[in-house]
Amino acid sequence: DAKTTQPTSMDCAEGRAANLPCNHSTISGNEYVYWYRQIHSQGPQYIIHGLKNNETNEMASLIITEDRKSSTLILPHATLRDTAVYYCIVRVLGSARQLTFGSGTQLTVLP
Amino acid sequence: GAVVSQHPSRVICKSGTSVKIECRSLDFQATTMFWYRQFPKQSLMLMATSNEGSKATYEQGVEKDKFLINHASLTLSTLTVTSAHPEDSSFYICSAQRGTTSDYGYTFGSGTRLTVV
Repeated sequence: DAKTTQPTSMDCAEGRAANLPCNHSTISGNEYVYWYRQIHSQGPQYIIHGLKNNETNEMASLIITEDRKSSTLILPHATLRDTAVYYCIVRVLGSARQLTFGSGTQLTVLP
Repeated sequence: GAVVSQHPSRVICKSGTSVKIECRSLDFQATTMFWYRQFPKQSLMLMATSNEGSKATYEQGVEKDKFLINHASLTLSTLTVTSAHPEDSSFYICSAQRGTTSDYGYTFGSGTRLTVV
């Protein structure tokens, strides 16, 4: 799986959009970008994934650059409950291998 | 859908005793489950891959005789920490894959906080 690079930490004001970047310059053509988050002392939670088109669901939006070398996870209206570590993971869809977690980004939503 | 139940959520045990952690897929069958360990302020580290009906595959550096994994059915995998020591205190998390073509990747349990005293 391609390696990803994320900032160590970010702050965001409550109610504002949180934009979390991820670099994956070595991504292969058949690899998807997945985002998970881990709230303190809980298991990781799936957020969203995409290949090359922008994606949106009830939790977030995923913007992938045209060259697919980077992406941004957008939480449109961050709440205090969105405070968590966010992981960007690149992998082939349907792969039977495990998810490999990097260090992720600690997002702190401030009141 | 795709719920993974992990029990217990917290356990405190004495040094030298064994602890069993259960991971159940509630509404789907999981041929493969994964066990992770997470130390404070660190990321998740894969310990082993559990396949139904066969022996688990352990990552390098993980003692298979200490961390016993059993995946006897398509909905249940267990991790037993044998002869636990304080250095085994950690957050243990299981995950299950819903088939190999799921768009949602993996579902994780809520984790087990093990404290060995």
